[in-house]
Amino acid sequence: DQQVKQNSPSLSVQEGRISILNCDYTNSMFDYFLWYKKYPAEGPTFLISISSIKDKNEDGRFTVFLNKSAKHLSLHIVPSQPGDSAVYFCAARRTQGGSEKLVFGKGTKLTVNP
Amino acid sequence: NAGVMQNPRHLVRRRGQEARLRCSPMKGHSHVYWYRQLPEEGLKFMVYLQKENIIDESGMPKERFSAEFPKEGPSILRIQQVVRGDSAAYFCASSPLRDRANGYTFGSGTRLTVV
Repeated sequence: DQQVKQNSPSLSVQEGRISILNCDYTNSMFDYFLWYKKYPAEGPTFLISISSIKDKNEDGRFTVFLNKSAKHLSLHIVPSQPGDSAVYFCAARRTQGGSEKLVFGKGTKLTVNP
Repeated sequence: NAGVMQNPRHLVRRRGQEARLRCSPMKGHSHVYWYRQLPEEGLKFMVYLQKENIIDESGMPKERFSAEFPKEGPSILRIQQVVRGDSAAYFCASSPLRDRANGYTFGSGTRLTVV
């Protein structure tokens, strides 16, 4: 049962244009949503997060939108740069009792073409 | 200020051997999390530890896997009698607090190959 889904395995955009990465989730108990960027042979790097009580969070070129009624979030990168080429993981945080854990999607490979 | 350090970066084990993966959290971080990434998959939670305590091991396979985070020294993920299906990238993350909304810091991972 995949609770966090990234339905697009890959995305290709031109440098300078907008990149939109999408993520759907099924569990209403998630309280935070996070985006991570990952290069090959490296660990994930935190990009941006959003609380479940917000609908938008912006940090520089990165903006995350949350549509709670649709259980959908998206990451916008504007303008896209070749250095943004990486795999992007959507993750949702579940806090229960004394524990917390992240549930990850399978990732979307973004390629930004010069 | 070094980040999360994992070693070894690559580990090759024959079926039936033991694998020991080490994670040194960032300085001042007392919470450690282990995640596993199988090929073409996202990361999956395995275990959450604080110093000398296992907080949540609900993602750990019932057999052959164990984890510890002693008072002194790194966190260890131990896999006994490895099988081919254990081949994966194992990532450790650390945080100073439990309630960390801006994400954990991940290490570069250990890539385990079972031959």
